[in-house]
Amino acid sequence: NAGVTQTPKFQVLKTGQSMTLQCAQDMNHEYMSWYRQDPGMGLRLIHYSVGAGITDQGEVPNGYNVSRSTTEDFPLRLLSAAPSQTSVYFCASSLSLDSYEQYFGPGTRLTVT
Amino acid sequence: AQKVTQAQTEISVVEKEDVTLDCVYETRDTTYYLFWYKQPPSGELVFLIRRNSFDEQNEISGRYSWNFQKSTSSFNFTITASQVVDSAVYFCALSEASGYSTLTFGKGTMLLVSP
Repeated sequence: NAGVTQTPKFQVLKTGQSMTLQCAQDMNHEYMSWYRQDPGMGLRLIHYSVGAGITDQGEVPNGYNVSRSTTEDFPLRLLSAAPSQTSVYFCASSLSLDSYEQYFGPGTRLTVT
Repeated sequence: AQKVTQAQTEISVVEKEDVTLDCVYETRDTTYYLFWYKQPPSGELVFLIRRNSFDEQNEISGRYSWNFQKSTSSFNFTITASQVVDSAVYFCALSEASGYSTLTFGKGTMLLVSP
């Protein structure tokens, strides 16, 4: 198993550009989430999904869209990048509702200039 | 709303010292889960432990031990005989049973272990 994979590892965008951060898992996990990590802030939840076709907002959803067309993939879209979205983005997956261990991807470091 | 507080921003110790990382949480749920994650300088998040709210037994894993006290809403993490490889940022996190496997993280404690 590859676990949770994220692409790209690094990305530089200009303000106003759009892009999609990719996340995939091969563990047949129902639950997937996106977090952002900012210095001194810990990780904050952006969006999450409890299964294919079902998504919901987390703590900091503004400026991001998600969709979940398959169990394996959970892409995060930045509609119009802003410098405030400079961060490290982590995707995570979990087996079940019972809050088992969350498996995290390696992260994507995004810089918006 | 749930909240996790890690009051220690940074801790510096010398190798072989014992060190305790504090974690205090707030939740209205009676069923919840507590986690510790390690983030080494390479940046990945490494799962260390998961504990549910009904299990207050302390746990020991090698040099790591965890003290869960519901009475004080704390889930502290102790490293015994610290090593340079323990240098990392450590996050405490909380997930409510109704929270669809989403985590609320503390801001993290950076541990620096010098030789």
